[in-house]
Amino acid sequence: NAGVTQTPKFQVLKTGQSMTLQCAQDMNHEYMSWYRQDPGMGLRLIHYSVGAGITDQGEVPNGYNVSRSTTEDFPLRLLSAAPSQTSVYFCASRRGTGVYGYTFGSGTRLTVV
Amino acid sequence: GIQVEQSPPDLILQEGANSTLRCNFSDSVNNLQWFHQNPWGQLINLFYIPSGTKQNGRLSATTVATERYSLLYISSSQTTDSGVYFCAVGGQGGSEKLVFGKGMKLTVNP
Repeated sequence: NAGVTQTPKFQVLKTGQSMTLQCAQDMNHEYMSWYRQDPGMGLRLIHYSVGAGITDQGEVPNGYNVSRSTTEDFPLRLLSAAPSQTSVYFCASRRGTGVYGYTFGSGTRLTVV
Repeated sequence: GIQVEQSPPDLILQEGANSTLRCNFSDSVNNLQWFHQNPWGQLINLFYIPSGTKQNGRLSATTVATERYSLLYISSSQTTDSGVYFCAVGGQGGSEKLVFGKGMKLTVNP
C-alpha cells in the first residue's frame, strides 16, 4: 500500500515550458486534490475531483489543467510555466464517504527560471 | 469565500507542556480537518472533525460549529510535535474546496 505517490520530487523548468506533475493513489479514494504551498502561506487549492471524469476549479486554477480518467490518477498540467508557479505542489486523496481526512503525497518542489 | 484564522501564529514550549491551538472560520462548514506538517515538509492528517470532539492519544480536537471555531489540544508535548499545524475548512461552496489557514508554528524544546 503505497498511499499517494507524486512524481517527480524536484523539477526545474524554463519559463514557457510545459510539464505534467503525476499523482497516483492505490487506496481507491474518490476525492483527489492538488494544492500549492508558498513560503509563509498555507496551502491553496488548485483543482479537485470528486470522482473519475469529474473535476472542478479551486482557489488558484489559472495556468493549470487537470483530468481524472481513472480513480487512481490525477495529473496536473502546467501549460506554459511562469516564475510565479515556483512552489511546492501537493496532491491529496480521501474516501468519499465516512469520516476520513485527506492523505497527502510527499510533494513536488518546482522551480521556474 | 470562507475565511480561516489560526492563533497563535507561533508557539514555543518546553517538552511536557500542554497547548491549545485555535481555528476560527467565517461561515458554516461541513468539512474541517487538522493537519501537522513536520520539519521535513510531510503533511499528516490529524483529525476530520466538522463537529464534536475526537481524541487520538495525546491529541484531541473539538469543533463548535455553531460558534465557528475549532480547538486542537496537545498534551505532554514532545519534540516530535514540532512543526506547523494547519486547520482547513470546506463549506457551502463545496465541502472539498478546502480553505487552509496560514498555520501555527510549534517548537517544542527538550
